[in-house]
Amino acid sequence: DNVLTQSPGTLSLSPGERVTLSCRGSQSISSIHLGWYQQKPGQPPRLLISGASSRAAGIPDRFSGGGSGTDFTLTISRLEPEDFAVYYCHQYGNSFGQGTRLEI
Amino acid sequence: EVQLEESGGGLVQPGGSLRLSCTDSGFTFSTYSVNWVRQAPGKGLEWLSFIGTRSTPIYYADSVRGRFTISRDDATSSLYLHMNSLSAEDTAVYYCARDSCVAGRGCGMDVWGQGTTVTVSS
Repeated sequence: DNVLTQSPGTLSLSPGERVTLSCRGSQSISSIHLGWYQQKPGQPPRLLISGASSRAAGIPDRFSGGGSGTDFTLTISRLEPEDFAVYYCHQYGNSFGQGTRLEI
Repeated sequence: EVQLEESGGGLVQPGGSLRLSCTDSGFTFSTYSVNWVRQAPGKGLEWLSFIGTRSTPIYYADSVRGRFTISRDDATSSLYLHMNSLSAEDTAVYYCARDSCVAGRGCGMDVWGQGTTVTVSS
């Protein structure tokens, strides 16, 4: 199985800042199979990005994804208060990363 | 509105079995692949299993292979997860999630249920 490693584990930031989250696979991943999810306490996850770089329906354009091979990123260009949550990368039909927590 | 709803969670003794169900509304269930994902208390997401349309292909995480069985009944738009040999480590919220693959946009789990809680304890 491909192991996805996210970094950093936790980030303390302020609204308005720009942040880039990392997801690295132990094996190469097809870009079409890499997704990013946001989860807030007590809620199910929400799909942000599919295919490594395509925003899901209703996702603001401050969220962007990129990368290829074993290294992928999720960038939030300007943090809004509602963006403070846990973010997970996921390989289709396979594992999630361990998550990155964004906190104020 | 497109929705998924899980049911069947509860308290089960170690070594016991449980069957979770997931039903849909608002979309043509048979045309989508579906996943089970769980989250232990205070922990991250753990993908468990995937079932494609017409029940092919089927994938399992190593942690549940041989103990859990995923299945679907398209006639009733239902997804199931049969869980055997349960232990305390299986205590979690269990989610079903629809896979959506769009040409040029890749694949992602775009519709999730609210989850059902499984507690394994004596």
